[in-house]
Amino acid sequence: GAGVSQSPRYKVAKRGQDVALRCDPISGHVSLFWYQQALGQGPEFLTYFQNEAQLDKSGLPSDRFFAERPEGSVSTLKIQRTQQEDSAVYLCASSLGAQDLYGYTFGSGTRLTVV
Amino acid sequence: KNQVEQSPQSLIILEGKNCTLQCNYTVSPFSNLRWYKQDTGRGPVSLTIMTFSENTKSNGRYTATLDADTKQSSLHITASQLSDSASYICVVSRSASKIIFGSGTRLSIRP
Repeated sequence: GAGVSQSPRYKVAKRGQDVALRCDPISGHVSLFWYQQALGQGPEFLTYFQNEAQLDKSGLPSDRFFAERPEGSVSTLKIQRTQQEDSAVYLCASSLGAQDLYGYTFGSGTRLTVV
Repeated sequence: KNQVEQSPQSLIILEGKNCTLQCNYTVSPFSNLRWYKQDTGRGPVSLTIMTFSENTKSNGRYTATLDADTKQSSLHITASQLSDSASYICVVSRSASKIIFGSGTRLSIRP
């Protein structure tokens, strides 16, 4: 597609519910990133894929967070047993190459509200 | 600690005026610095990218500067327009995956 597509745009989950957030990167983009953005803050790194390999997951806040990119294209961020502190916008970004001098294209994000 | 700090947190200016946003960083090693514009409810969009050897980069009415010695960058917006109202985020990369975002400056342009 022309850009990075994320779905759903908005998600309201009851505390304790599991959620799955989807990211469709730009076709052919090697690198894919997930970020968590709290209200009024800059994005915080969660995890990074190069093709299907998850090279860095150091930003995942707990073992309730899990991300996958099984075929090196679409990625899913799963949050188990959601807590109120998980409420945030989750941004996905993709990049053409593995080197960071390529531009990143961000999706519009998924706004997760845990009630 | 690797940090990116931006100032001011928020800024209101009149349409047509110029403004300058600041970014100080302590990230090391340094690969590159980018400025992003983030409209409300949208993902960030890249404005400029500068490597260690570059000290200025322009994109239309946006001009970014970088002083790698003092670890400071600025984003200057000339002849502001209402559509410039957004958050401006400074992002410093250590490597392909080690990317540190500032908290952003929220800019509001008044008619």
